[in-house]
Amino acid sequence: SQTIHQWPATLVQPVGSPLSLECTVEGTSNPNLYWYRQAAGRGLQLLFYSVGIGQISSEVPQNLSASRPQDRQFILSSKKLLLSDSGFYLCAWAPGLGDDTQYFGPGTRLTVL
Amino acid sequence: KQEVTQIPAALSVPEGENLVLNCSFTDSAIYNLQWFRQDPGKGLTSLLLIQSSQREQTSGRLNASLDKSSGRSTLYIAASQPGDSATYLCAVNSNSGYALNFGKGTSLLVTP
Repeated sequence: SQTIHQWPATLVQPVGSPLSLECTVEGTSNPNLYWYRQAAGRGLQLLFYSVGIGQISSEVPQNLSASRPQDRQFILSSKKLLLSDSGFYLCAWAPGLGDDTQYFGPGTRLTVL
Repeated sequence: KQEVTQIPAALSVPEGENLVLNCSFTDSAIYNLQWFRQDPGKGLTSLLLIQSSQREQTSGRLNASLDKSSGRSTLYIAASQPGDSATYLCAVNSNSGYALNFGKGTSLLVTP
């Protein structure tokens, strides 16, 4: 069966510090991968999606970036965090090839102080 | 741009009641619609996915319907239980393989 992992589970970082959040999927190959952010009082917002290694599309302008160095690994990064980057970050995967059901990871709670 | 609205924002019902959660979307040209459940501080759990060509999907006590032409979906929960307490999110996929547009959710509390 397929599983999706995210780490760390929680993170507290000072403004201006770098960020690296990792997401990995097991039990499938060539999945579509997604990064979402859920901010307090707001709905989930898609940040990035990837349909293959090295293929990243961004949905909103921001100081975050994403990379997919391996088929089942998706990384969210920032060089300098802002207060507004605080939120709950969720990674998701979908089988693709006609099956668009998205399956979400447990999330990372990021607090920028 | 696709906008998804969920009504009500919050709902409290006694155990055993049947209930309906509503979702509406502005652009009827969708590929599919997915309902999720989110427990506090947790990730999302997929409940049901309805393709644009389908009218409804059922899983256990859950039934989701889709009326694409009117831009509406409902999630029906039969014989509610305290364990059903969570936030329920509706999400629309307007282009296969790409972004889901989420509503802000309905927070459900089922009291014993």
